[in-house]
Amino acid sequence: QSVLTQPPSVSAAPGQKVTISCSGSSSNIGNNYISWYQQLPGTAPKLLIYDNNKRPSGIPDRFSGSKSGMSATLGITGLQTGDEADYYCGTWDSSLSAVVFGGGTKLTVL
Amino acid sequence: EVQLVESGGGLVQPGGSLRLSCAASGFTFRSYWMSWVRQAPGKGLEWVANIKQDGSEKYYVDSVKGRFTISRDNAKDSLSLQMHSLRAEDTAVYYCARAEYTSTWYDGGYFDYWGQGTLVTVSS
Repeated sequence: QSVLTQPPSVSAAPGQKVTISCSGSSSNIGNNYISWYQQLPGTAPKLLIYDNNKRPSGIPDRFSGSKSGMSATLGITGLQTGDEADYYCGTWDSSLSAVVFGGGTKLTVL
Repeated sequence: EVQLVESGGGLVQPGGSLRLSCAASGFTFRSYWMSWVRQAPGKGLEWVANIKQDGSEKYYVDSVKGRFTISRDNAKDSLSLQMHSLRAEDTAVYYCARAEYTSTWYDGGYFDYWGQGTLVTVSS
């Protein structure tokens, strides 16, 4: 069982918008910054969002992040078939003194 | 260009040992926390260990404490993971990742660059 909880899968049509949730507790999401990663099939993870809502250089603004209380959300607009991937949230857990990830969400673009 | 290249993976018997290495280039290695993150076949990401810039602080996931040791050589821009008493559940692709943060690592750092990974298989 992962410390952070994500839905196993989400799906939407090309051009539509999708959101992926990540819930935790006060020892992780509630008091720390969260990051999001995209893992395309057969490749290494790639940073999408850091510090809750910041995008690294090169990440399109179709990707956005937000946080409220002990939950965070990744939003993707204008879905493309190339967005089909696994998405993970992650942060530091102050009680565990460990980095924790969500179990991952598989995005299918129908 | 930031590059992280892992090596050292392979097939090892249960109870055996293996040492993974990560060669870093394209950035000032000694200025960054570094990490190992693994992914079992068909499973999600699992953080394994972190090491501070000067090696003075190290953190491990509970399942590897006492068996794995993370270390770094800032003179050689190299990160290592020494693994002992390997178990079948340690089978995974092991990624080397650069760890970054805005204020402190403990506020929620993140992994901004990843290597391509090296596969460790523990099986008899």
